[in-house]
Amino acid sequence: DQQVKQNSPSLSVQEGRISILNCDYTNSMFDYFLWYKKYPAEGPTFLISISSIKDKNEDGRFTVFLNKSAKHLSLHIVPSQPGDSAVYFCAASAWGGGTSYGKLTFGQGTILTVHP
Amino acid sequence: SAVISQKPSRDICQRGTSLTIQCQVDSQVTMMFWYRQQPGQSLTLIATANQGSEATYESGFVIDKFPISRPNLTFSTLTVSNMSPEDSSIYLCSGGGGETQYFGPGTRLLVL
Repeated sequence: DQQVKQNSPSLSVQEGRISILNCDYTNSMFDYFLWYKKYPAEGPTFLISISSIKDKNEDGRFTVFLNKSAKHLSLHIVPSQPGDSAVYFCAASAWGGGTSYGKLTFGQGTILTVHP
Repeated sequence: SAVISQKPSRDICQRGTSLTIQCQVDSQVTMMFWYRQQPGQSLTLIATANQGSEATYESGFVIDKFPISRPNLTFSTLTVSNMSPEDSSIYLCSGGGGETQYFGPGTRLLVL
């Protein structure tokens, strides 16, 4: 049972344009969402997060949008740069307590390629 | 944020042997976790490393195969026991004091 899904295995965009990466989840207990970027041979690097009490969070070129009713979140990168080329993972956690406290459930990842 | 290091960064092991992976955090963190990323797959949680008590394992992972220690708030080890080629994977530890977890660089394990 895939509780966090990234349905696009890859995305290709031109430098300077917007990159939009999507993520869907099924578990309504999830209340905190994160995006990580991963280069080959490195661990995931934290990018940006959002709590379920918000619908938008912005940090520089990165903006995450959360639609709780649709159980959908997206990461916007504007403008995209060639250095953004990496695998992007969406992750979710449930902080309401119980045994799921703090544990991350990851999506399958989306390979972003930004062409010069 | 937290800076996390892992040792070894990679290893090639023979089947039937065991490997212990070390994870060091540069500051005290409340939680530490161990994940696995198999080739072409996403990250899967193996267990929560609890300080001073037994780790909490996810479904499909058992203590005999993946014993974990966490003697203090900055250090943890994961042992991959009695290895088989199916254990070839990247093993990652993570830590954090709040909602955000930070990851180490990973240990790339190849079992022959």
